[in-house]
Amino acid sequence: QVQLVESGGGVVQPGGSLRLSCAASGFTFSSYGMHWVRQAPGKGLEWVAFIRYDGSNKYYADSVKGRFTISRDNSKNTLYLQMNSLRAEDTAVYYCAKGRTGGLDVYWGQGTLVTVSS
Amino acid sequence: DIVMTQTPLSSPVTLGQPASISCRSSQSLVHSDGNTYLSWLQQRPGQPPRLLIYKISNRFSGVPDRFSGSGAGTDFTLKISRVEAEDVGVYYCTQATQFPYTFGQGTKLEIK
Repeated sequence: QVQLVESGGGVVQPGGSLRLSCAASGFTFSSYGMHWVRQAPGKGLEWVAFIRYDGSNKYYADSVKGRFTISRDNSKNTLYLQMNSLRAEDTAVYYCAKGRTGGLDVYWGQGTLVTVSS
Repeated sequence: DIVMTQTPLSSPVTLGQPASISCRSSQSLVHSDGNTYLSWLQQRPGQPPRLLIYKISNRFSGVPDRFSGSGAGTDFTLKISRVEAEDVGVYYCTQATQFPYTFGQGTKLEIK
């Protein structure tokens, strides 16, 4: 069955960096676009970034553009989110989600918590 | 960016009674390919979000038929025909017609 497992979250100081990973299994990873979505504590959902199946196109939320980079390694069935210049407002649970034509698919990870604090 | 506005933000409902959530987008969600990429998600307490409906009215596999979606253009509705205890949580609409994808603020469904 489809599984998405995020890792790499933790506590980081403002201005610091962190790289999240999402290990995918149970489907042909290299055939699907992938998303990152985040949720600040007690708040709603915010879409963060998307990468096409082959990495040819990437899209970002304005709030992270220029600071975050989405990437993938299809040989390792793994999605990444490199987060630089982190701010307190980036504190959230970060979910990876499988894409489908016209949006998000039903397959999401359990999320990894990123806390930006001094 | 397309702004998604949900009403109400909180909905107390009696078990067995219907519930309805509205979602309005700041511009039409009709894509150039003719499809309308409006989805609904449910998030139970302590759980990741779960996709319920895609393209306005199509239920994902395993979603009970008491959930239904409708609408067109900029106005959409999620209806639950008879609320059950397991339906408690927060419901979000989201658009995937154009990047950046955007979500509504969420509607908290609770039992009276």
